[in-house]
Amino acid sequence: QVQLVQSGAEVKKPGASVKVSCKASGYTFTGYYMHWVRQAPGQGLEWMGWINPNSGGTNYAQKFQGRVTMTRDTSISTAYMELSRLRSDDTAVYYCARAKGGSGSYVPLFDYWGQGTLVTVSS
Amino acid sequence: DIVMTQSPDSLAVSLGERATINCKSSQSVLYSSNNKNYLAWYQQKPGQPPKLLIYWASTRESGVPDRFSGSGSGTDFTLTISSLQAEDVAVYYCQQYYSTPPIFGPGTKVDIK
Repeated sequence: QVQLVQSGAEVKKPGASVKVSCKASGYTFTGYYMHWVRQAPGQGLEWMGWINPNSGGTNYAQKFQGRVTMTRDTSISTAYMELSRLRSDDTAVYYCARAKGGSGSYVPLFDYWGQGTLVTVSS
Repeated sequence: DIVMTQSPDSLAVSLGERATINCKSSQSVLYSSNNKNYLAWYQQKPGQPPKLLIYWASTRESGVPDRFSGSGSGTDFTLTISSLQAEDVAVYYCQQYYSTPPIFGPGTKVDIK
């Protein structure tokens, strides 16, 4: 069965960086785009961008351009999201989410989600 | 960016009764070339990630109970739970995937009356 397992909670100081991992299993990792979505405490869902695990190509939301980097390691079926220059309003649960389409479709329709990683930014 | 709104913000429904959630997009999410509405619905329970319920506005995801149904086209959409069960207590989000960035609605909280 498809599973996305994310790394554990992080506490960071303002200005630091955080790198969250998302290990995929149960399907061909390179066949499905991976997106990242975050959710601030008690708030809604905010899309951050995607990575094509096959090519490594990325597309980031304008809001995060220059601060976010999405990468992957196909040898261990793992996607990563690194966010730099953290601020207090980056405190959120970060999710990886698989794009449903497969066959190289980036369409942001999400059929499987990781369990979420809480990133707390506090001095 | 497309703006998504939902109504109501919350609702309480008796067990076995119907729950109806509305979602509106600031521009049409109907793609004329394939006549598909790029609109999805997700359910999120406390402490859990969202779960895909409906896509293409009215197609149920595999394994989703048939008491969940979606309807609408263009800019106005509805999620209906025909007979509310205790396990349906959650926040429900609509999401457009017609254009980048994909945008989620603010959510509707469903509780038991």
